[in-house]
Amino acid sequence: GQQVMQIPQYQHVQEGEDFTTYCNSSTTLSNIQWYKQRPGGHPVFLIQLVKSGEVKKQKRLTFQFGEAKKNSSLHITATQTTDVGTYFCAGGGNNRLAFGKGNQVVVIP
Amino acid sequence: NAGVMQNPRHLVRRRGQEARLRCSPMKGHSHVYWYRQLPEEGLKFMVYLQKENIIDESGMPKERFSAEFPKEGPSILRIQQVVRGDSAAYFCASSPAAGPEQYFGPGTRLTVT
Repeated sequence: GQQVMQIPQYQHVQEGEDFTTYCNSSTTLSNIQWYKQRPGGHPVFLIQLVKSGEVKKQKRLTFQFGEAKKNSSLHITATQTTDVGTYFCAGGGNNRLAFGKGNQVVVIP
Repeated sequence: NAGVMQNPRHLVRRRGQEARLRCSPMKGHSHVYWYRQLPEEGLKFMVYLQKENIIDESGMPKERFSAEFPKEGPSILRIQQVVRGDSAAYFCASSPAAGPEQYFGPGTRLTVT
């Protein structure tokens, strides 16, 4: 079955700094989605990427889908304490999402 | 527009009992998905349903677990004869159509003692 791997699994980020989290798939993905889950909360949809090489921005967040549609990245600039949480990527296809294990981000004030 | 509703939010069961988890999708959504999340793990797909139909149950354990989404009322995930390993957060998500963005409910945290 489809598998997505996320690296790193944990990150400690100083407030104000930038960081990137990566998502890799063993197979070509029809699309990739990113979700954020706050501690004790539920996943919240951030974005979906569909096209090869696609780049989308949401304020301080930049999402990228690789040319081969096997990897993706999320880059956050000027980290704020509200960015704390776990960021999941999920590969789409056949009406079910295959989630990675997530990147747990801790922000150091 | 109310979001996805799940109840109960927390459920404690003794080994061998049954657990029933309910999910009401967002208004206008006819597609429901159930996921299980273990501590510090990602979400594992369990089952995908539309009204009165199970579309994909490939992630569901073969025994003790069942799901339904009746014509009227919420979707139900039923776990019979629970064991300690069933302790997890169970999330329901809904979408207006198959595939894209899924809206997650707050989850049910099941603890088996």
